[in-house]
Amino acid sequence: SQTIHQWPATLVQPVGSPLSLECTVEGTSNPNLYWYRQAAGRGLQLLFYSVGIGQISSEVPQNLSASRPQDRQFILSSKKLLLSDSGFYLCAWSVQGIQHFGDGTRLSIL
Amino acid sequence: GQSLEQPSEVTAVEGAIVQINCTYQTSGFYGLSWYQQHDGGAPTFLSYNALDGLEETGRFSSFLSRSDSYGYLLLQELQMKDSASYFCAVSLNSYNQGGKLIFGQGTELSVKP
Repeated sequence: SQTIHQWPATLVQPVGSPLSLECTVEGTSNPNLYWYRQAAGRGLQLLFYSVGIGQISSEVPQNLSASRPQDRQFILSSKKLLLSDSGFYLCAWSVQGIQHFGDGTRLSIL
Repeated sequence: GQSLEQPSEVTAVEGAIVQINCTYQTSGFYGLSWYQQHDGGAPTFLSYNALDGLEETGRFSSFLSRSDSYGYLLLQELQMKDSASYFCAVSLNSYNQGGKLIFGQGTELSVKP
């Protein structure tokens, strides 16, 4: 069966520090991969999606970037975090059009 | 722009039936999905409608009318564990094009004893 791993579960970072969140999927090949951010009490905002290795589509211009160095690995990065980058970050994968989410990373910026 | 409208909160009692509506205005439409999210957790998939009509999965059913840009999620025999946020989401393009989803702001369902 397919599983998705996302880490860390929580992260506290100072303003101006770099960020790297990693997501890996097991049990499937060539999935579509997604990064979302969710503010408290709000819906999910799509940040990036990828249909294949090295193929990244950005949905919202911002302080973040994404990379897909391997088929089942998706990385979310920032060179310098802003206070507004705080939130709940979720990775998801899709093969049959239905998206399945990882457990998320709760990011707090101080 | 893209918009999905759903009620912000709904309250019902255990054993009752509740319907959560979703209306959408989007540039593309490939289907309507519903996700459940418990407090502090990740969203989990509930149901998907690509064509008009009703889809039933156990206690949950979902309906779609593409001509009305409208759908709903029906939860029957409510249980306390159904207390959660429910999101509708529209697929804006095909899976091969990326399978992008745009989410509503969510409906917080509270089930009372």
